Amino acid sequence: GQNIDQPTEMTATEGAIVQINCTYQTSGFNGLFWYQQHAGEAPTFLSYNVLDGLEEKGRFSSFLSRSKGYSYLLLKELQMKDSASYLCAVTGAGSYQLTFGKGTKLSVIP
Amino acid sequence: DTAVSQTPKYLVTQMGNDKSIKCEQNLGHDTMYWYKQDSKKFLKIMFSYNNKELIINETVPNRFSPKSPDKAHLNLHINSLELGDSAVYFCASSQETKDRTYGYTFGSGTRLTVV
Repeated sequence: GQNIDQPTEMTATEGAIVQINCTYQTSGFNGLFWYQQHAGEAPTFLSYNVLDGLEEKGRFSSFLSRSKGYSYLLLKELQMKDSASYLCAVTGAGSYQLTFGKGTKLSVIP
Repeated sequence: DTAVSQTPKYLVTQMGNDKSIKCEQNLGHDTMYWYKQDSKKFLKIMFSYNNKELIINETVPNRFSPKSPDKAHLNLHINSLELGDSAVYFCASSQETKDRTYGYTFGSGTRLTVV
């Protein structure tokens, strides 16, 4: 089976940097995804990591350590529109089906 | 053009009724999924279809049945609706190669309320 753990809620200030952590246990691994979900909307793709290291895409970066079963999403220069839930998801052995964590609700305050 | 479209967006119905939610994707993806998102925002897999074959069927009640007339469509039919079925249902599609997946494209969701 698969188990994914991420903080339930976080609050950060506009303009600041925030790091959202995700730890996982899975019987196999074919990659880790981060999705963003605004209230009342569908999740949208942010990043994909399959190898160890940091992937940078504009203000967002995602890091993966497969040996530690650990990932983080780093958001820089926070904007009010970044207030959303951030979902960590992993794929398991022999499957590309995504198993999602329960999501981290990020609130950005002025 | 909407890549993954679901209808209806909102559905309010009485307990005991039967209802269907439709999903269509125009991305040419091979795999389609249904996920349920409960009030705590937890996304849980219900079904997936690959080339019209059911490849994953999690422990959902058999009142829920997926129907796929072709690889661009995956509909969800629900019999004898119960209060606990109230949730947001998301359809998604994905494309894989031998080496990787490209993740999901989600539909906009169907908010089902059973009264």
